[in-house]
Amino acid sequence: GDSVTQMEGPVTLSEEAFLTINCTYTATGYPSLFWYVQYPGEGLQLLLKATKADDKGSNKGFEATYRKETTSFHLEKGSVQVSDSAVYFCALSGQGGYQKVTFGTGTKLQVIP
Amino acid sequence: KAGVTQTPRYLIKTRGQQVTLSCSPISGHRSVSWYQQTPGQGLQFLFEYFSETQRNKGNFPGRFSGRQFSNSRSEMNVSTLELGDSALYLCASSLAGDRGVRQYFGPGTRLTVL
Repeated sequence: GDSVTQMEGPVTLSEEAFLTINCTYTATGYPSLFWYVQYPGEGLQLLLKATKADDKGSNKGFEATYRKETTSFHLEKGSVQVSDSAVYFCALSGQGGYQKVTFGTGTKLQVIP
Repeated sequence: KAGVTQTPRYLIKTRGQQVTLSCSPISGHRSVSWYQQTPGQGLQFLFEYFSETQRNKGNFPGRFSGRQFSNSRSEMNVSTLELGDSALYLCASSLAGDRGVRQYFGPGTRLTVL
């Protein structure tokens, strides 16, 4: 079945540092890929998405590129802020299903001033 | 436009009881999905409803059930509660429910089973 593997956290960075959170997936065909963010005490929010190979999703300075050849969708940001502290989830929506989304385990990011 | 609303936000039950959670999707959205979030298992898909029909189901026991009404509001029921059912239950809605369409999540219902 479909699965998503993302790097274990927590990740602690200083403000303005470069962020990479790795995400790889296993799925048949061409899934859609997502990054969701969950701020403390809040629900999930879609951060960005990509629906086909080589697409780049971007939002709020975050970027991720759909790499079919490496089955990856790594999240990057050039300069993190304290307000980026949250849990980040990589997810996919498989080709066979409708809104059946498979999530990774989440990576907690803590940015210190 | 109002977002996805879930009621109640917090719930405390005891083992063996049953519970019903409610989700009101964004106006116009016809697809509603339910997820369970726990520290140990992460986010797991429960089921998805579209136009009052269950289209997808995750790997949960039959104690977990749901339904959707004609106004797209959805309810989730858990019978014979177990300690392991303690979790944050998230509801998400989307316009058409197709793959790749954005889902909007509610704030969740925090269920504690004692």
